[in-house]
Amino acid sequence: EVQLLESGGGLVQPGGSLRLSCAASGFTFSIYGMSWVRRAPGKGLEWVSTISGSGDTTYYAASVKGRFTISRDNSKNTLYLQMNSLRVEDTAVYYCAKSRTSSTSCHDYWGQGTLVSVSS
Amino acid sequence: DIVMTQSPDSLAVSLGERATINCKSNQSVLYSSNNKNYLTWYQQKPGQPPNLLIYWASTRESGVPDRFSGSGSGTDFTLTISSLQAEDVAVYYCQQYYSPQITFGQGTRLEIK
Repeated sequence: EVQLLESGGGLVQPGGSLRLSCAASGFTFSIYGMSWVRRAPGKGLEWVSTISGSGDTTYYAASVKGRFTISRDNSKNTLYLQMNSLRVEDTAVYYCAKSRTSSTSCHDYWGQGTLVSVSS
Repeated sequence: DIVMTQSPDSLAVSLGERATINCKSNQSVLYSSNNKNYLTWYQQKPGQPPNLLIYWASTRESGVPDRFSGSGSGTDFTLTISSLQAEDVAVYYCQQYYSPQITFGQGTRLEIK
């Protein structure tokens, strides 16, 4: 059974940093691209970042580029999102999501999400 | 970035009736080399993560009831629920994966009339 478990969310002041983790199990982690997607309160889904199975290719939304870094440790079956220079508008539930195939970013499994609150 | 626009923003349909949600992209998401539309639909219920319903614009994900169907090509797509059930109350999103810069529609909130 595929499972994705996010952790690392919490309350942080503007300008602060957080690192989110997503522990994966139930599939061959290194084969599949993985993404972070967020949903701010009262808003819709917003894609944040995607990383290839090998970790050598990454993509970012313009709203987070230069502030967030996606990475993965295939030996630990874990996905990460390092978030720096956080802004109030980064407040959201952050989901990690597994790509349905090795080459497409259509997501067939999602974690339950972790809440990031940026406030002074 | 490819802009995805859904209509309507909200929709109220009677139980057993048909619900139709539209999604339009500002450029084609049809990849000519394989003739596939890189368009997917998700359902998100309150307090839950999104759930994949449809991919390649019209292929139903395993376990999704057959009352859900997707259609369209190029820039115009439709999600249809043939006979609305109470458990279908949710927000529905389209998403393109033609570009590695993934984009979602703004969402359509579906309620019972």
